[in-house]
Amino acid sequence: AQKITQTQPGMFVQEKEAVTLDCTYDTSDQSYGLFWYKQPSSGEMIFLIYQGSYDEQNATEGRYSLNFQKARKSANLVISASQLGDSAMYFCAMRVGDSNYQLIWGAGTKLIIKP
Amino acid sequence: GAGVSQSPSNKVTEKGKDVELRCDPISGHTALYWYRQRLGQGLEFLIYFQGNSAPDKSGLPSDRFSAERTGESVSTLTIQRTQQEDSAVYLCASSLVSQSNQPQHFGDGTRLSIL
Repeated sequence: AQKITQTQPGMFVQEKEAVTLDCTYDTSDQSYGLFWYKQPSSGEMIFLIYQGSYDEQNATEGRYSLNFQKARKSANLVISASQLGDSAMYFCAMRVGDSNYQLIWGAGTKLIIKP
Repeated sequence: GAGVSQSPSNKVTEKGKDVELRCDPISGHTALYWYRQRLGQGLEFLIYFQGNSAPDKSGLPSDRFSAERTGESVSTLTIQRTQQEDSAVYLCASSLVSQSNQPQHFGDGTRLSIL
C-alpha cells in the first residue's frame, strides 16, 4: 500500500534552532517524488521542496533541506535557523510513477517556534 | 503573477442548499485538483482533471458532489443538498503535468460552513 506517515503531530522548537520534521513513505514503485508543503494559519498551501527518487543529492532550498534516506524510506525536512514565521502545519506528500497525478498526503505536523 | 484563484473565499449556507465553488487555475496548467480539508486535518483528494481526459472522480465522497472543467480553464465544484459534514475548506490546485517534479500550486481555498 502507498502511504505517507508523519509521526509527529506537534513540535515546539526554540527560535534559531534547527528542526527536523519526520516523514516516512511506503511504495513499491521505483519512480516516485516527495514534496513538502507549509500551511500557515492563514490557510494557504506553500510548496517548499521536492526530492525525486533518482536524485542522488539531497534537495536544498534556502533554509530548507531534505534528508533523503532511500533505504529507510524516509524524507525528513530540515529547517535550519528556525524563525517565528516558520510556525505552521507541514505536510509531506508523495507522487508515485512518472506523472504528477495524485499526491498521497501525510497527516501533517504542527510546528510552533518559541521566541 | 497570477496564481490559482478560488471564489468565494467564504461561504455560509443552510443545510439542504446547493453550493458552487469556483477555481481558476494558473494559465497553462493542464492538471487541476480539488481537495477537502476538515478542521485540523490533512488533505482529502476529491477529483482530478487532466486536459481533455476523463476526470478521476474516485475521491468524491458521494453523488451529491460533482465537478466540471471546460478544457484547461475554470473548474466548478458543486455540492448538492449540503449536509453539516460538508463543512470544510475546499482547496483547488493546478500543476504542469508534463514534468514530474512540478509541484501543485494551491489557491487560498473556500471555507464552507453549513448551518
